[in-house]
Amino acid sequence: DADVTQTPRNRITKTGKRIMLECSQTKGHDRMYWYRQDPGLGLRLIYYSFDVKDINKGEISDGYSVSRQAQAKFSLSLESAIPNQTALYFCATSDSRRARETQYFGPGTRLLVL
Amino acid sequence: AQRVTQPEKLLSVFKGAPVELKCNYSYSGSPELFWYVQYSRQRLQLLLRHISRESIKGFTADLNKGETSFHLKKPFAQEEDSAMYYCALSGIRGTSGSRLTFGEGTQLTVNP
Repeated sequence: DADVTQTPRNRITKTGKRIMLECSQTKGHDRMYWYRQDPGLGLRLIYYSFDVKDINKGEISDGYSVSRQAQAKFSLSLESAIPNQTALYFCATSDSRRARETQYFGPGTRLLVL
Repeated sequence: AQRVTQPEKLLSVFKGAPVELKCNYSYSGSPELFWYVQYSRQRLQLLLRHISRESIKGFTADLNKGETSFHLKKPFAQEEDSAMYYCALSGIRGTSGSRLTFGEGTQLTVNP
């Protein structure tokens, strides 16, 4: 779904570096999420935001922080990257006003931490 | 705590054969269950949800509360069904909202 975009799509960084992954959406959804995908582990929720002033930790938030700059933007930061943060990162959005709320995913950002 | 388990990481069938992808869950309340699919080089997308009780691309899934399962089935697999399939659970809205807990995923390969 081209309405949810992620930048960059691929990133290689070194241990200890600070990096930011960005997510933008034009769907007008109020809720946004960050997941990481690891082989054999599926997708795990890092952080989620139900509106601009609401930020919540997911199941694996340690080592990550987020910022909801606007309703349409939700960025994920790794303050000091470490190799076990190498993964595929997905942003998702949903609309709480819908009776059958559905999450829409971005294309993913592939991150390699050396 | 909510948990989703997909016991098969890999599943391979021949075209035209029936396929069943297993999903078991644990949750203390009344969950909403989903199947998401990720085709090669495409985004993760919703395939179906138990509330809708619909058939999408020939796939169906029935919520069995007694067995806490939500298996995905298709009577005749097609090559284009080859993909990664994720079962997911959402807790009661208003508490956990739409937070999804995903299973580990099952990679389905349909051979010609």
